[in-house]
Amino acid sequence: QVQLQESGPGLVKPSETLSLTCTVSGGSISSYYWSWIRQPAGKGLEWIGRIYTSGSTNYNPSLKSRVTMSVDTSKNQFSLKLSSVTAADTAVYYCARLSAALGWFDPWGQGTLVTVSS
Amino acid sequence: SYELTQPLSVSVALGQTARITCGGNNIGSKNVHWYQQKPGQAPVLVIYRDSNRPSGIPERFSGSNSGNTATLTISRAQAGDEADYYCQVWDSSTAGVFGTGTKVTVL
Repeated sequence: QVQLQESGPGLVKPSETLSLTCTVSGGSISSYYWSWIRQPAGKGLEWIGRIYTSGSTNYNPSLKSRVTMSVDTSKNQFSLKLSSVTAADTAVYYCARLSAALGWFDPWGQGTLVTVSS
Repeated sequence: SYELTQPLSVSVALGQTARITCGGNNIGSKNVHWYQQKPGQAPVLVIYRDSNRPSGIPERFSGSNSGNTATLTISRAQAGDEADYYCQVWDSSTAGVFGTGTKVTVL
């Protein structure tokens, strides 16, 4: 079955760019939508954005000015960049597969904690 | 932007039925998906498109959606059902939206 694994630095300095990669195993990344979702400690889930394997993207309007997503089908990976981070961006970041453009998220990666601190 | 409102917490006696609501403007016209999240774990899909269960999810989990409220029902609640539950939809501008989350406690 398809499995997802997030990777990237666990600590990012304020004003810098957060960069994460999600590696997909057990299946092809092609012909699916893929998403990033985050969750600050003790709080709810926040959708960050989605990308299709063609490279087409949609972002959460509240984060749109700082988010960039990309996909590398040759590596079965997709990535997230979030610029100008502050402490408010400290969260567990999850990657997930979308069943369709307006579908459900399944499966999810295990999540990776990113802390923004100097 | 579209908002989904859930009760902060729901308590249910062991073996009884828990109902978790998800309120949103005309949510009945949207497809609602539900996720279960246990402490320290990633969310898991338990209901998709209002009332469909993925393989491996017990029949005790069911869903409905009408008007301004979607509902996740957990029948014959077990201790292992203690978790946070989130509803999710796509709003008209194709942005993903999650509910505020509900903590379910089994007494």
